[in-house]
Amino acid sequence: AQKVTQAQTEISVVEKEDVTLDCVYETRDTTYYLFWYKQPPSGELVFLIRRNSFDEQNEISGRYSWNFQKSTSSFNFTITASQVVDSAVYFCALSPPPGSARQLTFGSGTQLTVLP
Amino acid sequence: KAGVTQTPRYLIKTRGQQVTLSCSPISGHRSVSWYQQTPGQGLQFLFEYFSETQRNKGNFPGRFSGRQFSNSRSEMNVSTLELGDSALYLCASSLTSGGSSYEQYFGPGTRLTVT
Repeated sequence: AQKVTQAQTEISVVEKEDVTLDCVYETRDTTYYLFWYKQPPSGELVFLIRRNSFDEQNEISGRYSWNFQKSTSSFNFTITASQVVDSAVYFCALSPPPGSARQLTFGSGTQLTVLP
Repeated sequence: KAGVTQTPRYLIKTRGQQVTLSCSPISGHRSVSWYQQTPGQGLQFLFEYFSETQRNKGNFPGRFSGRQFSNSRSEMNVSTLELGDSALYLCASSLTSGGSSYEQYFGPGTRLTVT
């Protein structure tokens, strides 16, 4: 069975601070995908990143960066110089390898509030 | 390219009634998945359809069903509604298997309230 744990329920930071959202996962698959989604108050889940289990290279996209560590089963997400528009619920998700049904297992989400 | 569309956006139903929600995937996408989001249970997978066939189903009772049409549009149906079915129902689409296009793109959701 697959499981994703986001231990941080809520995080509040002041604008321009850096913030890291934690994600720990469990799976028996040797190949899998990890994702981060953002859910603003409008409700739509916005895709942020996908990471293959065999690619542990960290990735940076603008103010966003992701640290994937297979040894600790973690896929953490850092926002640098946070902005008020970053306020949202962020979900980490896990899926089985390609060829399998597209079933995402989500964490419980982290509510990020960025104060002006 | 237009995104995933879901109709209706909001719905209020009474216990015991049934409801049908619709999802139109991104053009060219053939896989449609449905998720239920509630404050208590979070985001949970309902089922996935690919080429008009259900590929996988989550742990939900038989009252929850779905189908996919030849144009990849999908509907989900909930019969004999219960108060606990009140939720945001999200639809996601993705391309066929293979390649790097494994991301699921979500629609805005249908907010169902059962009274």
